[in-house]
Amino acid sequence: NAGVTQTPKFRVLKTGQSMTLLCAQDMNHEYMYWYRQDPGMGLRLIHYSVGEGTTAKGEVPDGYNVSRLKKQNFLLGLESAAPSQTSVYFCASSWTGTFASGANVLTFGAGSRLTVL
Amino acid sequence: AQSVTQLDSQVPVFEEAPVELRCNYSSSVSVYLFWYVQYPNQGLQLLLKYLSGSTLVKGINGFEAEFNKSQTSFHLRKPSVHISDTAEYFCAVSRKAAGNKLTFGGGTRVLVKP
Repeated sequence: NAGVTQTPKFRVLKTGQSMTLLCAQDMNHEYMYWYRQDPGMGLRLIHYSVGEGTTAKGEVPDGYNVSRLKKQNFLLGLESAAPSQTSVYFCASSWTGTFASGANVLTFGAGSRLTVL
Repeated sequence: AQSVTQLDSQVPVFEEAPVELRCNYSSSVSVYLFWYVQYPNQGLQLLLKYLSGSTLVKGINGFEAEFNKSQTSFHLRKPSVHISDTAEYFCAVSRKAAGNKLTFGGGTRVLVKP
């Protein structure tokens, strides 16, 4: 059982280039999330999805776009990369249900380290 | 909106000594509370969570946390740490009515020394 898989694990971009990070989960989770992790700032939510075909903005959505065409996949796109987007990106997923039954527990991928020069 | 403050960015501790990681939160509504751990070069995994009931919550690897509503705190403790506990620890909160979105603190890096 792979859980949450992120590709690529590492990427170096030049300013202005575009790229897509792919997140795939095999747990049939409804909810998926993209976070970025920066030193001293914890994880900040970029975008999230509560189901196939739906997306919503999180805390820091500017400069990013997302798509959830299939339930198991959640793509994060950078149309024109900037040095401020140098970060480690984490995808996570969780299932719906009652909080007491275990919903709200996120399963994380191993992360994608992006450097923008 | 809610926020989470982890008061210590780094905590060095000797092996077999106790450790406490402090977490304070602010929210105008009731929240659920979590601690996640991130081992080097890995994603985050759940240590423990508080949803309701007993304010003392036990998690994996001998960790426990105590919810204090009056002080809006959720401090994490372990009575005796191992080298393998070297990691970054994140406190997180979720509003009870906000679905599954978590707000994370800035993290506390624990370095266990032999």
